[in-house]
Amino acid sequence: QSVLTQPPSVSAAPGQKVTISCSGSSSIGNNYVSWYQQLPGTAPRLIIYENNKRPSGIPDRFSGSKSGTSATLGITGLQTGDEADYYCGTWDSSLSADVFGGGTKLTVL
Amino acid sequence: QVQLQESGPGLVKPSQTLSLTCTVSGGSISSGSFYWSWIRQHPGKGLEWIGYTYHTGSTYSNPSLKSRLTISEDTSKNQFSLKLSSATAADTAVYYCARAPLHCTSTSCFPLHFDSWGQGTLVTVSS
Repeated sequence: QSVLTQPPSVSAAPGQKVTISCSGSSSIGNNYVSWYQQLPGTAPRLIIYENNKRPSGIPDRFSGSKSGTSATLGITGLQTGDEADYYCGTWDSSLSADVFGGGTKLTVL
Repeated sequence: QVQLQESGPGLVKPSQTLSLTCTVSGGSISSGSFYWSWIRQHPGKGLEWIGYTYHTGSTYSNPSLKSRLTISEDTSKNQFSLKLSSATAADTAVYYCARAPLHCTSTSCFPLHFDSWGQGTLVTVSS
């Protein structure tokens, strides 16, 4: 059971927008949240760091936000290539451990 | 651009030690700016953080694995390694090495996120 809670799956049509939530207790409230995209058969890739920043090369269709003990990943203008598993993560100071959400499978219908 | 590459046996017998090495290129593991980490993913499951090593030799471990885990580094080879003793079928997973920038406050330092990942290597624990 993950420390951070994500919906198992979300879906939307091409061109539409989707949001993925990530909720936790003090772990999120006290530290930065990051988001990772894992395309089938590949390693995870950082797409959002420090709650809302995008690494170089990540399109601005991807956005992140945090409020209190929850974080949200938003993806606009959905493309079939966005079909992947998405994970949130943060440092849990009380555990002195990195924690991840259980992952959300995005389907672009 | 930094690159990480995992290597090691793909098959380990139960009760033996699972050993992997991560070779880093395009950056030095002696840099004080990063933690060097291991993460695993059980088949069809989510990500599980295993632990970190820092250039001072300090390590952080997932509490659930700490008693079996050793993470070390060889700065001369720009590599860091994972050893997980008494392996069982539950340790069958894809193992990733990754880099995490660190952030320090006035009282402590902690990792920010995983900005570079290896491609991963599947380790199967089976007789």
